[in-house]
Amino acid sequence: QSVLTQPPSVSAAPGQRVTISCSGSSSNVGRNYVSWYQQLPGTAPKVLIYENNKRPLGIPDRFSGSKSGTSATLGITGLQTGDEADYYCAAWDSSLSAVAFGGGTKVTVL
Amino acid sequence: VQLEESGGGLVQPGGSLRLSCEASGFTLSNHDMHWIRQPTGKGLEWVSAIGIGGETYYVGSVKGRFTISRENAGNSLFLQMNSLRAGDTAVYYCVRVYSNSFDIWGQGTKVTVSP
Repeated sequence: QSVLTQPPSVSAAPGQRVTISCSGSSSNVGRNYVSWYQQLPGTAPKVLIYENNKRPLGIPDRFSGSKSGTSATLGITGLQTGDEADYYCAAWDSSLSAVAFGGGTKVTVL
Repeated sequence: VQLEESGGGLVQPGGSLRLSCEASGFTLSNHDMHWIRQPTGKGLEWVSAIGIGGETYYVGSVKGRFTISRENAGNSLFLQMNSLRAGDTAVYYCVRVYSNSFDIWGQGTKVTVSP
């Protein structure tokens, strides 16, 4: 069981918007930065969002991040078939002195 | 800028393996570095970290069995894994930290613990 809770799957039609939630606690999401990762099949994960809501160079603005209290959200607008992947949230847990990951969310484009 | 892991393979329960990660294009000792693993078909699991100051951290299930270290001269990161168990079977990624996130990932090295 993961320290951070994500829905197992979300789906939407091309061009639509999806959101992925990441629920934690005061020792992780509530206190530390959240980052989000995209893992395409057969590849290593790639950072999409860092420090809650910042995008690395090269990540399109269709991807956005937000955080409120002990929950964070990844939003994807203008959904494309190339967005089909597993998405993970992560945050440092100050009580565990460890990195906490969400269990991952599979995005399906209908 | 890249990371390349090596050292994975098949090992019997109770055995040992030493994973290596060679960094190129940047100085490894200037960054916190982590090992993250992923069992086949499952999610990401954080394993261990070494800070810029040399402080180390481990997930509870590997404490006392795994040791993270780095060699500045060789710009390399290591993970010494002892008393391996079936539950340690996974792809192990070497990962760099930048701006509070994992910005550079290696391609991964597969560890299989089986009789």
